[in-house]
Amino acid sequence: AQKITQTQPGMFVQEKEAVTLDCTYDTSDPSYGLFWYKQPSSGEMIFLIYQGSYDQQNATEGRYSLNFQKARKSANLVISASQLGDSAMYFCAMRVKAARQLTFGSGTQLTVLP
Amino acid sequence: DTGVSQDPRHKITKRGQNVTFRCDPISEHNRLYWYRQTLGQGPEFLTYFQNEAQLEKSRLLSDRFSAERPKGSFSTLEIQRTEQGDSAMYLCASSLDPTGAYGYTFGSGTRLTVV
Repeated sequence: AQKITQTQPGMFVQEKEAVTLDCTYDTSDPSYGLFWYKQPSSGEMIFLIYQGSYDQQNATEGRYSLNFQKARKSANLVISASQLGDSAMYFCAMRVKAARQLTFGSGTQLTVLP
Repeated sequence: DTGVSQDPRHKITKRGQNVTFRCDPISEHNRLYWYRQTLGQGPEFLTYFQNEAQLEKSRLLSDRFSAERPKGSFSTLEIQRTEQGDSAMYLCASSLDPTGAYGYTFGSGTRLTVV
């Protein structure tokens, strides 16, 4: 079975600063993908970034980067230069090759302070 | 194509009533997923369609739940004899890429409240 753990229920960051949201995962499948999603209060899940288990480099998408440490089974999301619009719930998720669905963590509520 | 559409956005129903939700995926996406999200939790997988075939169902999908995807286009999720524990956000997602590397596109969800 796969498991995603997000240990930070809530995080605060000052506008324009960087913030790291933690995610650890557990799976015995060597082939998997890791995802981060943003969920504003409107409810929609917005795809942010993807990292494959065999990818050699850490994924980056604009202000988002994924700090992938395979040996530690961690996939932390780094948001640089935080903006007020970044305030939302953030979910880490995983899909193993043998499965079709995503397994989500419990999320981190990020609040960006002006 | 503006993304994944879900209807209705909100539904309030009395316990024991039946409800049906609709999801219209991105037109070229052949994979469709239903998830349920309770307050303060991450989404939990319910069921998966590839084209019109329902290929996987979670144990969370009790006998009161049924999902269809006729002709491999839109999908419906029906809950019969609703219970208060069914109150949740029901999210639909679609994808084209089997690995999901390009992301699963989610709709805005249907929030169900059973009173």
